[in-house]
Amino acid sequence: GDSVTQMEGPVTLSEEAFLTINCTYTATGYPSLFWYVQYPGEGLQLLLKATKADDKGSNKGFEATYRKETTSFHLEKGSVQVSDSAVYFCALRHTGFQKLVFGTGTRLLVSP
Amino acid sequence: GAVVSQHPSRVICKSGTSVKIECRSLDFQATTMFWYRQFPKQSLMLMATSNEGSKATYEQGVEKDKFLINHASLTLSTLTVTSAHPEDSSFYICSASPGQSSGNTIYFGEGSWLTVV
Repeated sequence: GDSVTQMEGPVTLSEEAFLTINCTYTATGYPSLFWYVQYPGEGLQLLLKATKADDKGSNKGFEATYRKETTSFHLEKGSVQVSDSAVYFCALRHTGFQKLVFGTGTRLLVSP
Repeated sequence: GAVVSQHPSRVICKSGTSVKIECRSLDFQATTMFWYRQFPKQSLMLMATSNEGSKATYEQGVEKDKFLINHASLTLSTLTVTSAHPEDSSFYICSASPGQSSGNTIYFGEGSWLTVV
């Protein structure tokens, strides 16, 4: 079945450092790929998405590119802020379905 | 934007008792809501799909008699953990979508931490 694998956390960075959170997936067909973020005490929020190969999703300085050849969707940000501290979830979903398949989540801690 | 609210955010209950978690869509109607569970250091796992006015659809391995889901209105779904045991302690989160009008965007609640002692 479908699955999503994320790097384990926590990822601890200093402010303005470069961020990469790895995500790879296993799925039949061509799913849409998502990154969700969960800030402390809040629900999951959609951060960015990509619906087909080579698409790049971007939002709030974060980027991720749908790489079909490596079945990856790594999350990157050039300069993190303390306010980016949260748990980040990679997920996939097949077109026409509302069911999401999540990775385990990666906690990011950014210190001043 | 659309908001999904869960209540309670944290609950502690005694082993053997039942506990109810509510999931509300605050500014849209949702014919379908989803319940997920997350154990520490594991993925969010879909437990069941809650269908307004009909029975929920449970994922394989999820006990429907233990995790009762009621979707009595277009804005409210409830998850009741019956005869709770310590192994039911987990993070439960719901999601809902306004449907095609929103491009099938999915909104999540804040989640509920259940601790069974």
